[in-house]
Amino acid sequence: KNEVEQSPQNLTAQEGEFITINCSYSVGISALHWLQQHPGGGIVSLFMLSSGKKKHGRLIATINIQEKHSSLHITASHPRDSAVYICAVEDYGGSQGNLIFGKGTKLSVKP
Amino acid sequence: GAVVSQHPSRVICKSGTSVKIECRSLDFQATTMFWYRQFPKQSLMLMATSNEGSKATYEQGVEKDKFLINHASLTLSTLTVTSAHPEDSSFYICSAYQTSGRATDTQYFGPGTRLTVL
Repeated sequence: KNEVEQSPQNLTAQEGEFITINCSYSVGISALHWLQQHPGGGIVSLFMLSSGKKKHGRLIATINIQEKHSSLHITASHPRDSAVYICAVEDYGGSQGNLIFGKGTKLSVKP
Repeated sequence: GAVVSQHPSRVICKSGTSVKIECRSLDFQATTMFWYRQFPKQSLMLMATSNEGSKATYEQGVEKDKFLINHASLTLSTLTVTSAHPEDSSFYICSAYQTSGRATDTQYFGPGTRLTVL
């Protein structure tokens, strides 16, 4: 079993829809990252969370440490949001900054 | 926000040659940089942790003599793939860890280098 599980693996949405991507993990963590990878491969760090909730524009990330679960929400989705969204955790027992990655959720937003 | 660059973005080489990939943090100093590899349709896998002024720490299964890492300064780490073979063809991504001693410590990722070995 992977230490970081994401769902769904693939997601197709219509422009304007509210989107949720889920991430569950099995290890103790010091932080959780949400990353966005575009078709060309480049990665952008969206959020780093250790508790609660963060918001940036149309993106919202939440984390529940007790339940070992995080969600990434996209409001009013747009075709330019189409990308792979990756959840990654910093293992509490590991080296600082050493990430364990989920397999990613491929999001396609149709106009 | 902080920026991390990689060079080259894309490289094609013949089997048996060596390829050097540079990772630079452009507006901050990074004592720690990470090198990842991503095969098609798979998640990123950590290859090694690069610490400025000391030897890199390699993950299990990654050959340190094949993937040479040098972190000569606080803004530059290099990954050299020696005697590259077609199975080394992959997408290599670096990240730099910005430590400020506050809760805003985070990693910044480079744009990646796509290596194709013929």
